[in-house]
Amino acid sequence: DIVMTQAAFSNPVTLGTSASISCRSSKNLLHSNGITYLYWYLQRPGQSPQLLIYRVSNLASGVPNRFSGSESGTDFTLRISRVEAEDVGVYYCAQLLELPFTFGSGTKLEIK
Amino acid sequence: QVTLKESGPGILQPSQTLSLTCSFSGFSLSTSGMGVGWIRQPSGKGLEWLAHIWWDDDKRYNPALKSRLTISKDTSSNQVFLKIASVDTADTATYYCARMMDPYAMDYWGQGTSVTVSS
Repeated sequence: DIVMTQAAFSNPVTLGTSASISCRSSKNLLHSNGITYLYWYLQRPGQSPQLLIYRVSNLASGVPNRFSGSESGTDFTLRISRVEAEDVGVYYCAQLLELPFTFGSGTKLEIK
Repeated sequence: QVTLKESGPGILQPSQTLSLTCSFSGFSLSTSGMGVGWIRQPSGKGLEWLAHIWWDDDKRYNPALKSRLTISKDTSSNQVFLKIASVDTADTATYYCARMMDPYAMDYWGQGTSVTVSS
């Protein structure tokens, strides 16, 4: 199985500043069709996960452009510019390249 | 407007079969490229993908649980079902269903249904 590795907590950030959340996969997520199957989800407290970013860097519908995603090999980064209170929650990366689909253990965004 | 809602027994005993239903609206499983998946989350823990089913009845299972899982659909009633046989306490979790549609993957999720396995 592909292992997705995330830190349990982010570096504490102040509202209005930027935050980065990292994810590392145990295998290259690039398919032979040229698509990298890496996704980001946010689970706010007491809520279901919601899709933020699909295929590394594409914003899901309704997601503010304060969110962005990037990759460097098997390392993936979710960036949040101008963090807002509603961004609090646990961020999960997920790979949908091969079965079984696997999620990272989640990174909790810490606010100072 | 896409919505999904899970339903289940709430509580069941070890060795029983867990039956879950995902009722959805706003899309159809008769549409090419559409699918529904099941994901679970033990309390305070991470997400585990279980299975998904596509519009053409293609079914995929998590190999770790495959022998115990059965996914099916009723396209006419907009429902997807998941059965987990021989449950034990490790199956205690919130179970989510989610729409699957390339390229968005799991883009809409239900509110989840809590399942407790206890004697």
